[in-house]
Amino acid sequence: GAVVSQHPSWVICKSGTSVKIECRSLDFQATTMFWYRQFPKQSLMLMATSNEGSKATYEQGVEKDKFLINHASLTLSTLTVTSAHPEDSSFYICSAKGQIEAFFGQGTRLTVV
Amino acid sequence: SQQGEEDPQALSIQEGENATMNCSYKTSINNLQWYRQNSGRGLVHLILIRSNEREKHSGRLRVTLDTSKKSSSLLITASRAADTASYFCATARIGAGSYQLTFGKGTKLSVIP
Repeated sequence: GAVVSQHPSWVICKSGTSVKIECRSLDFQATTMFWYRQFPKQSLMLMATSNEGSKATYEQGVEKDKFLINHASLTLSTLTVTSAHPEDSSFYICSAKGQIEAFFGQGTRLTVV
Repeated sequence: SQQGEEDPQALSIQEGENATMNCSYKTSINNLQWYRQNSGRGLVHLILIRSNEREKHSGRLRVTLDTSKKSSSLLITASRAADTASYFCATARIGAGSYQLTFGKGTKLSVIP
């Protein structure tokens, strides 16, 4: 089946620094990628939808200047958490849409200290 | 609000028993997907059922879809300790140039050896 690689798997950073998370579709082209956030013991909440070559569409309540999304190619999207704070600590998951369904990366555990 | 709502929120059974989880949703969908997530890990796609399908099987998994009731069920037969995980349903709505996947809150399944 289709593979989506998300990197890094986990990251610990200091408050105020920025962290970049990569999402790659390894064996298919993804015109659309999605970024989700998951708090402990909760479901996935869609943060934004990105289409290759255009600006991402953010869900209500998600700060676009805080969570920068770049989808520069058909196989790569990045999420940059800028000036991270402890409340940004969470599990971030990307997914890439193939022809019929979306495939998910393994997630990135971000801890801001 | 969340499109999908699973019940029960948590389920504990003995190994060998069957586990049934239900998912209800509110609007029309193109397909419904079930995912498994082990603690702190990414999502594993289990099965996709289209809106014109009523039942689907995959190994020990059986999924039903009742679009008139806007509900779906996931049955895991002959459960194993390794089935312990959280299970999420996700509804997909596909439009012209759009793809929206919305997750429910999940059911936490514990299979006791």
